[in-house]
Amino acid sequence: KQEVTQIPAALSVPEGENLVLNCSFTDSAIYNLQWFRQDPGKGLTSLLLIQSSQREQTSGRLNASLDKSSGRSTLYIAASQPGDSATYLCAVITTSGTYKYIFGTGTRLKVLA
Amino acid sequence: DAGVIQSPRHEVTEMGQEVTLRCKPISGHNSLFWYRQTMMRGLELLIYFNNNVPIDDSGMPEDRFSAKMPNASFSTLKIQPSEPRDSAVYFCASSFGTGVGEQYFGPGTRLTVT
Repeated sequence: KQEVTQIPAALSVPEGENLVLNCSFTDSAIYNLQWFRQDPGKGLTSLLLIQSSQREQTSGRLNASLDKSSGRSTLYIAASQPGDSATYLCAVITTSGTYKYIFGTGTRLKVLA
Repeated sequence: DAGVIQSPRHEVTEMGQEVTLRCKPISGHNSLFWYRQTMMRGLELLIYFNNNVPIDDSGMPEDRFSAKMPNASFSTLKIQPSEPRDSAVYFCASSFGTGVGEQYFGPGTRLTVT
């Protein structure tokens, strides 16, 4: 059974710092991995989707990498801003069974001005 | 595009009442997902449809929950009878293709059962 873990659960950094959020999954047989951000009381916003054949994806100040063999993904945020404060969730779809996302519990990020 | 639309945004009801949540997916998307989010259990998939057909409903908690997708632009999640432990935020999401594509989420419905 696929399990997704995100460490740390919470993170507080000063504005301008570069930071890395981690996502681990137990079953490396995945179709893709998606990173989301969730603001308090809001829905999830898709940030990046990495297909199983890809190693990384970039969008603006965000870079996500994928290492399937080790069951890991990282989300790198460059030059963090207070507006980046949110909960970041990763989710994977495994190739076994029906297609469905298994979500991690998230990392709650606070960027201090 | 307006994105995924959910209604109502907030619902407060008494235990035992029927609750119906509604979702309109993004036009052209043929996969639709219902999720539930709680502090204790995080985000859980309840059911997903592909081309209006339920593919996996293994996440539906019990018989009190039912979901329908009568056409490509509308889905409902019904709880009857509702219980306090059903209180959560319910999200609808949609994607293009068989279900492995990028998912787009609606704003959610916050359900409180007293």
